[in-house]
Amino acid sequence: KAGVTQTPRYLIKTRGQQVTLSCSPISGHRSVSWYQQTPGQGLQFLFEYFSETQRNKGNFPGRFSGRQFSNSRSEMNVSTLELGDSALYLCASSPGLIILRGRYEQYFGPGTRLTVT
Amino acid sequence: GDSVTQMEGPVTLSEEAFLTINCTYTATGYPSLFWYVQYPGEGLQLLLKATKADDKGSNKGFEATYRKETTSFHLEKGSVQVSDSAVYFCALSGARLTGGGNKLTFGTGTQLKVEL
Repeated sequence: KAGVTQTPRYLIKTRGQQVTLSCSPISGHRSVSWYQQTPGQGLQFLFEYFSETQRNKGNFPGRFSGRQFSNSRSEMNVSTLELGDSALYLCASSPGLIILRGRYEQYFGPGTRLTVT
Repeated sequence: GDSVTQMEGPVTLSEEAFLTINCTYTATGYPSLFWYVQYPGEGLQLLLKATKADDKGSNKGFEATYRKETTSFHLEKGSVQVSDSAVYFCALSGARLTGGGNKLTFGTGTQLKVEL
């Protein structure tokens, strides 16, 4: 099976602009999660989508939003970019089914490196 | 809330040395525990997992045992190689018995450097 793919891999934007990142999960996976990785804050959870619905949300401002399509592909959008939004944005997919006392592992894509100047 | 604490890095070892990276967690309920590895310029790769107390996850010579009594999930390898040089992240998910979601809570990561 093909792995998780993310596009674009690198992006340079200017403060105030907006950006859209894309993620295609592993075939058959219905859950897509997004994480932000920075040297200062480490890996932080942004949100999770399952069957086109946001199932879980991290502690990020409303400038960060996402959506999921019927084919499970997901996009995240950041509006009014700030310098602090420079980060590696990672997407992860999993089957999405939840079993009491068990969780499916998440598989990560290579990430999109966003630089805000 | 849930949290994961990892030992600070970098950890520098000689090839064939024994590796231990400490990881402890705080969570309610029954979390699943994971170790992920990140090589330079890449995303995260799942290294191993454990979903209940006393489970031992293992892969590529790495092992970690889910210790509920000490809330720990330490990563070990008997003989490291130069190719093991990377950043290792301990993570947990699913701590709550109710509610949905696959949110992962990560530790800060431990950089491992293995030298010849």
